[in-house]
Amino acid sequence: AQKITQTQPGMFVQEKEAVTLDCTYDTSDPSYGLFWYKQPSSGEMIFLIYQGSYDQQNATEGRYSLNFQKARKSANLVISASQLGDSAMYFCAMREFLTGANSKLTFGKGITLSVRP
Amino acid sequence: DGGITQSPKYLFRKEGQNVTLSCEQNLNHDAMYWYRQDPGQGLRLIYYSQIVNDFQKGDIAEGYSVSREKKESFPLTVTSAQKNPTAFYLCASSRPTTGELFFGEGSRLTVL
Repeated sequence: AQKITQTQPGMFVQEKEAVTLDCTYDTSDPSYGLFWYKQPSSGEMIFLIYQGSYDQQNATEGRYSLNFQKARKSANLVISASQLGDSAMYFCAMREFLTGANSKLTFGKGITLSVRP
Repeated sequence: DGGITQSPKYLFRKEGQNVTLSCEQNLNHDAMYWYRQDPGQGLRLIYYSQIVNDFQKGDIAEGYSVSREKKESFPLTVTSAQKNPTAFYLCASSRPTTGELFFGEGSRLTVL
């Protein structure tokens, strides 16, 4: 069974600083995908970034980048130049392929990030 | 605009009552999902459907039921058999190429 582990306690970062949120995963499938989602206090889930297991380069999306270390099975999210609006819960998730082109995501328990002014 | 619409946003239920949460999408996605989230916790998969008229149990299906009669709709019924139904429920559909999930705004169910 697939497993996502997020073990950091609540994280704090000073505004404009960079922060790394850790995620490790466990799978025996050679083909998989890794996602990060942000959940503000409103409850909506916001997609941030995606990394495919065969992607040669680490994914980047604006201030977000994914530090993908395949051999160590880690997919850490790096947020550069933190903003107050980055305060939220962050979830790492892994894609499990099903029949055809469909799949399901397994989520970690999340990390709470607080940005200090 | 394309997206996922969940209703109601807040719902209160007395013990012993069944309630149905609505989920509609206009993204033309085949696959749809229901997740449950408890305070301070991650998302756990309840049911998913890969195609119309077909659905499978997720990790915590007991006490829940679903139907998928139309591509656009995937309602979730929380039955009286669910022992601890108070939670935040999220519906999603997925992009076939990457598996990225598109979520609704969620439904918060409270049992009185």
